[in-house]
Amino acid sequence: AQSVAQPEDQVNVAEGNPLTVKCTYSVSGNPYLFWYVQYPNRGLQFLLKYITGDNLVKGSYGFEAEFNKSQTSFHLKKPSALVSDSALYFCAVLNRDDKIIFGKGTRLHILP
Amino acid sequence: AAGVIQSPRHLIKEKRETATLKCYPIPRHDTVYWYQQGPGQDPQFLISFYEKMQSDKGSIPDRFSAQQFSDYHSELNMSSLELGDSALYFCASSGKGQGSYEQYFGPGTRLTVT
Repeated sequence: AQSVAQPEDQVNVAEGNPLTVKCTYSVSGNPYLFWYVQYPNRGLQFLLKYITGDNLVKGSYGFEAEFNKSQTSFHLKKPSALVSDSALYFCAVLNRDDKIIFGKGTRLHILP
Repeated sequence: AAGVIQSPRHLIKEKRETATLKCYPIPRHDTVYWYQQGPGQDPQFLISFYEKMQSDKGSIPDRFSAQQFSDYHSELNMSSLELGDSALYFCASSGKGQGSYEQYFGPGTRLTVT
Protein backbone atom coordinates (compact mmCIF):
# COMPACT_ATOMS: atom_id res chain seq x y z
CA ALA A 1 0.00 0.00 0.00
CA GLN A 2 1.19 3.49 -0.76
CA SER A 3 1.66 5.85 2.15
CA VAL A 4 3.49 8.90 3.37
CA ALA A 5 4.82 9.64 6.82
CA GLN A 6 5.49 13.00 8.40
CA PRO A 7 7.52 12.25 11.52
CA GLU A 8 7.10 15.67 13.14
CA ASP A 9 3.76 16.90 14.44
CA GLN A 10 5.18 20.41 14.85
CA VAL A 11 8.23 22.32 13.71
CA ASN A 12 9.34 25.63 15.21
CA VAL A 13 11.70 27.89 13.27
CA ALA A 14 12.86 31.44 13.89
CA GLU A 15 11.97 33.95 11.21
CA GLY A 16 14.76 34.28 8.65
CA ASN A 17 16.16 30.83 9.35
CA PRO A 18 15.96 27.97 6.87
CA LEU A 19 13.14 25.51 7.42
CA THR A 20 12.68 21.84 6.64
CA VAL A 21 9.50 19.81 6.95
CA LYS A 22 10.16 16.10 6.62
CA CYS A 23 8.30 13.51 4.60
CA THR A 24 9.07 9.91 3.73
CA TYR A 25 7.08 7.78 1.37
CA SER A 26 6.36 4.15 0.64
CA VAL A 27 5.22 3.35 -2.87
CA SER A 28 5.57 0.65 -5.45
CA GLY A 29 6.80 1.98 -8.73
CA ASN A 30 7.59 5.59 -9.47
CA PRO A 31 6.14 7.98 -6.90
CA TYR A 32 4.02 11.01 -7.66
CA LEU A 33 4.57 13.26 -4.65
CA PHE A 34 2.99 16.53 -3.56
CA TRP A 35 3.08 19.14 -0.85
CA TYR A 36 -0.01 21.07 0.21
CA VAL A 37 -0.39 23.86 2.74
CA GLN A 38 -3.47 24.57 4.81
CA TYR A 39 -4.02 27.90 6.55
CA PRO A 40 -6.52 28.09 9.44
CA ASN A 41 -10.09 27.46 8.29
CA ARG A 42 -8.97 27.35 4.69
CA GLY A 43 -8.74 24.73 1.97
CA LEU A 44 -5.56 22.99 0.96
CA GLN A 45 -3.33 24.86 -1.44
CA PHE A 46 -1.06 23.06 -3.86
CA LEU A 47 2.60 23.99 -3.32
CA LEU A 48 4.62 21.71 -5.56
CA LYS A 49 4.89 18.27 -7.06
CA TYR A 50 7.43 15.69 -8.14
CA ILE A 51 6.49 13.49 -11.07
CA THR A 52 9.78 12.97 -12.85
CA GLY A 53 12.90 14.90 -13.77
CA ASP A 54 15.08 17.03 -11.51
CA ASN A 55 15.20 15.93 -7.91
CA LEU A 56 14.93 19.52 -6.69
CA VAL A 57 11.45 20.84 -7.31
CA LYS A 58 10.56 24.51 -6.90
CA GLY A 59 7.08 25.59 -5.93
CA SER A 60 4.96 28.46 -4.72
CA TYR A 61 5.94 31.05 -2.08
CA GLY A 62 9.65 30.23 -2.34
CA PHE A 63 9.27 26.63 -1.22
CA GLU A 64 11.18 23.75 -2.74
CA ALA A 65 11.39 20.04 -2.12
CA GLU A 66 14.09 17.51 -2.72
CA PHE A 67 13.21 14.06 -3.97
CA ASN A 68 15.65 11.45 -2.65
CA LYS A 69 15.00 8.00 -4.03
CA SER A 70 17.58 6.18 -1.93
CA GLN A 71 16.16 7.61 1.30
CA THR A 72 12.55 7.56 0.03
CA SER A 73 12.17 11.14 1.21
CA PHE A 74 10.57 14.29 -0.13
CA HIS A 75 11.43 16.99 2.40
CA LEU A 76 9.99 20.47 2.01
CA LYS A 77 12.44 23.34 2.39
CA LYS A 78 12.68 27.09 2.32
CA PRO A 79 15.91 29.09 2.68
CA SER A 80 14.44 31.87 4.81
CA ALA A 81 11.24 31.44 6.79
CA LEU A 82 8.54 34.11 7.08
CA VAL A 83 6.01 34.44 9.89
CA SER A 84 3.31 34.12 7.23
CA ASP A 85 4.59 30.61 6.45
CA SER A 86 3.04 29.42 9.71
CA ALA A 87 0.46 26.83 8.67
CA LEU A 88 -0.26 23.12 8.45
CA TYR A 89 1.70 21.28 5.79
CA PHE A 90 0.68 18.00 4.22
CA CYS A 91 2.84 15.67 2.21
CA ALA A 92 0.89 13.45 -0.17
CA VAL A 93 1.30 10.64 -2.67
CA LEU A 94 -0.89 9.80 -5.63
CA ASN A 95 -1.90 6.16 -5.55
CA ARG A 96 -2.67 3.88 -8.46
CA ASP A 97 -6.32 4.93 -8.48
CA ASP A 98 -5.42 8.61 -8.83
CA LYS A 99 -6.54 9.56 -5.36
CA ILE A 100 -4.27 11.44 -3.05
CA ILE A 101 -3.19 9.91 0.23
CA PHE A 102 -2.12 12.50 2.76
CA GLY A 103 0.33 12.34 5.60
CA LYS A 104 -0.86 13.34 9.06
CA GLY A 105 0.39 16.89 8.61
CA THR A 106 3.10 18.98 10.27
CA ARG A 107 2.26 22.25 11.96
CA LEU A 108 4.90 24.83 11.18
CA HIS A 109 5.37 27.73 13.59
CA ILE A 110 7.59 30.58 12.49
CA LEU A 111 8.66 32.62 15.49
CA PRO A 112 9.16 36.37 15.01
CA ALA B 1 -7.41 32.27 -12.20
CA ALA B 2 -10.66 30.50 -11.45
CA GLY B 3 -10.60 28.14 -8.50
CA VAL B 4 -12.79 25.37 -7.17
CA ILE B 5 -16.02 26.72 -5.74
CA GLN B 6 -17.90 25.06 -2.93
CA SER B 7 -21.24 25.95 -1.47
CA PRO B 8 -22.35 26.50 1.13
CA ARG B 9 -19.27 27.48 3.11
CA HIS B 10 -20.95 26.72 6.42
CA LEU B 11 -23.88 24.46 7.21
CA ILE B 12 -25.56 23.62 10.47
CA LYS B 13 -27.89 20.64 10.60
CA GLU B 14 -29.54 18.55 13.26
CA LYS B 15 -29.14 14.82 13.71
CA ARG B 16 -31.05 12.72 11.20
CA GLU B 17 -31.42 15.63 8.79
CA THR B 18 -30.05 15.66 5.25
CA ALA B 19 -27.49 17.95 3.66
CA THR B 20 -26.34 18.62 0.12
CA LEU B 21 -22.90 20.04 -0.60
CA LYS B 22 -22.04 21.44 -4.01
CA CYS B 23 -18.74 21.65 -5.86
CA TYR B 24 -17.90 23.52 -9.04
CA PRO B 25 -14.53 22.43 -10.47
CA ILE B 26 -12.00 24.56 -12.23
CA PRO B 27 -13.10 25.10 -15.85
CA ARG B 28 -11.98 22.27 -18.15
CA HIS B 29 -11.20 19.98 -15.23
CA ASP B 30 -12.86 16.62 -15.74
CA THR B 31 -12.31 14.95 -12.38
CA VAL B 32 -13.80 15.78 -9.00
CA TYR B 33 -12.78 14.37 -5.63
CA TRP B 34 -14.48 14.65 -2.24
CA TYR B 35 -12.57 14.58 1.05
CA GLN B 36 -13.62 14.73 4.68
CA GLN B 37 -11.37 16.33 7.28
CA GLY B 38 -12.26 15.84 10.91
CA PRO B 39 -10.94 18.17 13.62
CA GLY B 40 -7.17 17.90 13.81
CA GLN B 41 -7.04 15.15 11.24
CA ASP B 42 -5.70 14.74 7.74
CA PRO B 43 -8.16 14.75 4.85
CA GLN B 44 -9.70 11.37 4.07
CA PHE B 45 -10.80 10.48 0.56
CA LEU B 46 -14.50 9.82 0.12
CA ILE B 47 -15.29 9.43 -3.57
CA SER B 48 -14.27 10.66 -7.03
CA PHE B 49 -15.80 11.13 -10.45
CA TYR B 50 -14.19 11.23 -13.87
CA GLU B 51 -16.24 12.36 -16.84
CA LYS B 52 -19.47 12.03 -14.83
CA MET B 53 -18.80 8.44 -13.85
CA GLN B 54 -17.77 7.33 -10.38
CA SER B 55 -14.09 6.46 -10.65
CA ASP B 56 -13.17 5.49 -7.13
CA LYS B 57 -14.69 5.09 -3.71
CA GLY B 58 -13.02 5.51 -0.35
CA SER B 59 -14.34 5.64 3.19
CA ILE B 60 -17.73 7.04 2.28
CA PRO B 61 -20.63 5.91 4.49
CA ASP B 62 -23.60 4.27 2.83
CA ARG B 63 -25.67 7.23 4.05
CA PHE B 64 -23.77 9.46 1.66
CA SER B 65 -24.07 9.56 -2.09
CA ALA B 66 -22.62 11.76 -4.77
CA GLN B 67 -22.83 12.43 -8.46
CA GLN B 68 -21.22 14.52 -11.15
CA PHE B 69 -23.45 16.35 -13.58
CA SER B 70 -23.13 17.16 -17.28
CA ASP B 71 -21.57 20.54 -16.48
CA TYR B 72 -19.00 18.68 -14.31
CA HIS B 73 -20.20 20.11 -11.03
CA SER B 74 -20.69 17.58 -8.28
CA GLU B 75 -23.02 17.22 -5.31
CA LEU B 76 -22.46 15.25 -2.14
CA ASN B 77 -25.73 14.17 -0.53
CA MET B 78 -25.65 13.23 3.12
CA SER B 79 -28.64 11.67 4.86
CA SER B 80 -29.44 10.61 8.42
CA LEU B 81 -26.73 12.92 9.66
CA GLU B 82 -24.84 11.92 12.78
CA LEU B 83 -22.82 14.03 15.21
CA GLY B 84 -19.67 12.36 13.88
CA ASP B 85 -20.33 13.76 10.42
CA SER B 86 -19.33 17.20 11.68
CA ALA B 87 -16.24 18.00 9.66
CA LEU B 88 -14.75 20.07 6.90
CA TYR B 89 -15.67 18.68 3.49
CA PHE B 90 -13.36 19.50 0.63
CA CYS B 91 -13.88 19.15 -3.05
CA ALA B 92 -10.89 19.03 -5.38
CA SER B 93 -10.61 18.94 -9.13
CA SER B 94 -7.97 17.92 -11.61
CA GLY B 95 -7.51 17.65 -15.32
CA LYS B 96 -6.92 13.93 -15.25
CA GLY B 97 -7.84 13.51 -18.90
CA GLN B 98 -5.08 15.95 -19.80
CA GLY B 99 -2.55 14.14 -17.66
CA SER B 100 -2.59 16.78 -14.95
CA TYR B 101 -2.33 14.94 -11.67
CA GLU B 102 -2.31 17.68 -9.11
CA GLN B 103 -5.59 18.29 -7.39
CA TYR B 104 -6.78 21.78 -6.62
CA PHE B 105 -8.91 22.14 -3.56
CA GLY B 106 -11.90 24.31 -2.85
CA PRO B 107 -12.24 26.30 0.39
CA GLY B 108 -14.33 23.59 1.99
CA THR B 109 -17.76 23.37 3.55
CA ARG B 110 -17.83 23.26 7.32
CA LEU B 111 -20.69 21.01 8.39
CA THR B 112 -21.81 21.09 11.99
CA VAL B 113 -24.32 18.51 13.14
CA THR B 114 -26.06 19.28 16.43
